[in-house]
Amino acid sequence: AQKITQTQPGMFVQEKEAVTLDCTYDTSDPSYGLFWYKQPSSGEMIFLIYQGSYDQQNATEGRYSLNFQKARKSANLVISASQLGDSAMYFCAMREGRRDRGSTLGRLYFGRGTQLTVWP
Amino acid sequence: DGGITQSPKYLFRKEGQNVTLSCEQNLNHDAMYWYRQDPGQGLRLIYYSQIVNDFQKGDIAEGYSVSREKKESFPLTVTSAQKNPTAFYLCASRLTTGSSNQPQHFGDGTRLSIL
Repeated sequence: AQKITQTQPGMFVQEKEAVTLDCTYDTSDPSYGLFWYKQPSSGEMIFLIYQGSYDQQNATEGRYSLNFQKARKSANLVISASQLGDSAMYFCAMREGRRDRGSTLGRLYFGRGTQLTVWP
Repeated sequence: DGGITQSPKYLFRKEGQNVTLSCEQNLNHDAMYWYRQDPGQGLRLIYYSQIVNDFQKGDIAEGYSVSREKKESFPLTVTSAQKNPTAFYLCASRLTTGSSNQPQHFGDGTRLSIL
């Protein structure tokens, strides 16, 4: 079974509008972390935001916020006031376990990504 | 500036040839990772390592080998046994001490193609 599911292969948004990128996850571990990365066409992976399973509040980082619904196992990324430079591939990822116990070594499970296009 | 350096940026492999992708980090991170990215498939884990001289297979290790002789370096060899090596390869590292929210930091990647 897929650990991370991103159901939107592509999304389009007009500049200055907000957009939500969906991510659902599957784990039986009570302790986990969720990450979002941005990958521009140049290829580098840029870390955007993190949400821990025990965090009481939704994470926010500037124009990025995470809509974390634990019961639904979803961790959607919200980008407010979209900019042309936000056009990129966005990946949701999950790490299981609190402190790298066992052999997991903090590995990440990635979704297939969502290609976001911002148009003027 | 601290970071992760991958080289070369582009690499071409001939049939039956082994090639080695370099990954060096000066972030003093303990853990290092290699991922393969194919179009439409996201990132898949090849190998990972937490300490020198120790590493574990990821989900798609067949046809690949690694070494971790130094904390800073984690080279990946794509062997001739890997029949479909054309992909984008990303190296990452992470600090494993302190807070559990430490993200993985990535290099700029190497694009490998078959001649």
